[in-house]
Amino acid sequence: NAGVMQNPRHLVRRRGQEARLRCSPMKGHSHVYWYRQLPEEGLKFMVYLQKENIIDESGMPKERFSAEFPKEGPSILRIQQVVRGDSAAYFCASSKDGGAEAFFGQGTRLTVV
Amino acid sequence: KQEVTQIPAALSVPEGENLVLNCSFTDSAIYNLQWFRQDPGKGLTSLLLIQSSQREQTSGRLNASLDKSSGRSTLYIAASQPGDSATYLCAVGNNNDMRFGAGTRLTVKP
Repeated sequence: NAGVMQNPRHLVRRRGQEARLRCSPMKGHSHVYWYRQLPEEGLKFMVYLQKENIIDESGMPKERFSAEFPKEGPSILRIQQVVRGDSAAYFCASSKDGGAEAFFGQGTRLTVV
Repeated sequence: KQEVTQIPAALSVPEGENLVLNCSFTDSAIYNLQWFRQDPGKGLTSLLLIQSSQREQTSGRLNASLDKSSGRSTLYIAASQPGDSATYLCAVGNNNDMRFGAGTRLTVKP
């Protein structure tokens, strides 16, 4: 079991471009969470998904951000028209169910130049 | 809405000391509470998970307790070592998500 895999580990985008962050949960896990960590700040919840469903997106900005977790393939966090303030580490976690132990990926560090 | 607070924000201790990190939360209706460790520029490593029905969990030199009624958890680290230097985060889980505290940045000096 390879654990939660996030790619890319590092991503550089120019202002206005799109960023796509991928998260493959652990085998057997159907719950995925995305968190953002701004420099020198704590982790902030963004969105919680189960297969093909968004359960809670209360932490995700209403504009430019979207997330999906299709039946097949990884979960994708998509940021359109990136701005410098989007520069952060984005972490994904997965669990078997909503109350189970969560396991984190190594994160994707997005830098907007 | 669940609010999670960690005190202190930063802690520096000499090697060998026992120490306690605190985590408090506002909504006691939780599924579990998890303590993580984060090294600079790295991901999160799960240290201990306490289910809502449990009072404590132990792993090696680490002991975590949970008091749901008072909305508190503590992480006790015995005989601290320089390798324990990291940021420690507590996360409170309900059926939908986990909410994190801002973390305690621990430095253990040789």
